[in-house]
Amino acid sequence: AQSVAQPEDQVNVAEGNPLTVKCTYSVSGNPYLFWYVQYPNRGLQFLLKYITGDNLVKGSYGFEAEFNKSQTSFHLKKPSALVSDSALYFCAVRAGNNAGNMLTFGGGTRLMVKP
Amino acid sequence: GAGVSQTPSNKVTEKGKYVELRCDPISGHTALYWYRQSLGQGPEFLIYFQGTGAADDSGLPNDRFFAVRPEGSVSTLKIQRTERGDSAVYLCASSSRQGAGGANVLTFGAGSRLTVL
Repeated sequence: AQSVAQPEDQVNVAEGNPLTVKCTYSVSGNPYLFWYVQYPNRGLQFLLKYITGDNLVKGSYGFEAEFNKSQTSFHLKKPSALVSDSALYFCAVRAGNNAGNMLTFGGGTRLMVKP
Repeated sequence: GAGVSQTPSNKVTEKGKYVELRCDPISGHTALYWYRQSLGQGPEFLIYFQGTGAADDSGLPNDRFFAVRPEGSVSTLKIQRTERGDSAVYLCASSSRQGAGGANVLTFGAGSRLTVL
């Protein structure tokens, strides 16, 4: 079985400050890890993914995430937050040998960036 | 089309009624997924199609839920005898075909919000 934990329901950060949204996972074998963002009344939008290679992955809108195998974590980061980054963020995982590509999502973290 | 299209965007029905939700995936995408997102939670997997066949329906909560994809493109999620607990946003996603070593990104539609009164 595969699972994802996002320990924070909400993260508050001031505009211009760095942000981190935490994610830990559990999966058999090599993990494929994803971050999606959801704006109100819209579908999930892909931000970035980790498959293999460099542990630091760069994605859309200046976001990046760091894969840490020993801590089974894949935290989302951004050096300088924007008010427009305020949204719901979801971490997801699948096993690398899962041919169906079914993702398991975390419960989500609401990011609030204040001016 | 350019993206995944889901209709209706909103559906209000009464307990016990039958509901159909439609998903039109990105042209050429052979894989199609249905997820359910309850308020304040992350999306939960329901069913996955590869072409016309349901490759994995392990996420369907009970036999009131059924999905079809007869021509390998558009899919319909069908819910019989709806219950208040079925109220949620139903998300559809599609991706291109891949093997176990691939990790193509799922592209999601905006969802169909179902409210059962």
